[in-house]
Amino acid sequence: AQSVAQPEDQVNVAEGNPLTVKCTYSVSGNPYLFWYVQYPNRGLQFLLKYITGDNLVKGSYGFEAEFNKSQTSFHLKKPSALVSDSALYFCAGRKAPNFNKFYFGSGTKLNVKP
Amino acid sequence: EAGVTQFPSHSVIEKGQTVTLRCDPISGHDNLYWYRRVMGKEIKFLLHFVKESKQDESGMPNNRFLAERTGGTYSTLKVQPAELEDSGVYFCASSPVAGSSTDTQYFGPGTRLTVL
Repeated sequence: AQSVAQPEDQVNVAEGNPLTVKCTYSVSGNPYLFWYVQYPNRGLQFLLKYITGDNLVKGSYGFEAEFNKSQTSFHLKKPSALVSDSALYFCAGRKAPNFNKFYFGSGTKLNVKP
Repeated sequence: EAGVTQFPSHSVIEKGQTVTLRCDPISGHDNLYWYRRVMGKEIKFLLHFVKESKQDESGMPNNRFLAERTGGTYSTLKVQPAELEDSGVYFCASSPVAGSSTDTQYFGPGTRLTVL
């Protein structure tokens, strides 16, 4: 069963506007959630992760993500988008008992237009 | 520090041929993982090595796929014979720690495989 889902294949936003890339999860127990980004011709780069604690997680490049247990969501956000943020974003999760593998969403292509 | 590297970056082969993908993990990382993204869908786990041993190969699709990690350093993933549905992007990742809910896996740029 799908543990992590990204409902949008593509998100378009104008530079300077806030951006949101959506992710929902479906795991029993404590969720362990991550965001990765893939720039063209580059590997997946870790952005941030939620393990426990504050629901608002801050990560690299000014990104943050909000964990919402009632909505089972972990949306990625940034207050002001840059053209250089254009990339492919993947939400990923882990679940017990095997923490060695990630369950990824299908990816969301973010296009930031000048 | 060099990241995870993968070779080749692209491979185009005919159905029925053999292809071998290579992954060099970050130096000192005992844990190496293979993942695959097919047809723009989600990235799926294939297998996990701890040093030279296969810890988990539950994601390997069938016996046409063979992964090795002789000596516990680089790894190869061979597809023989390749089928059309094997087309996709194959990612390798490595990590110093395994079994932790919090550790990060470091990914390579992937190998794009096209089977014609």
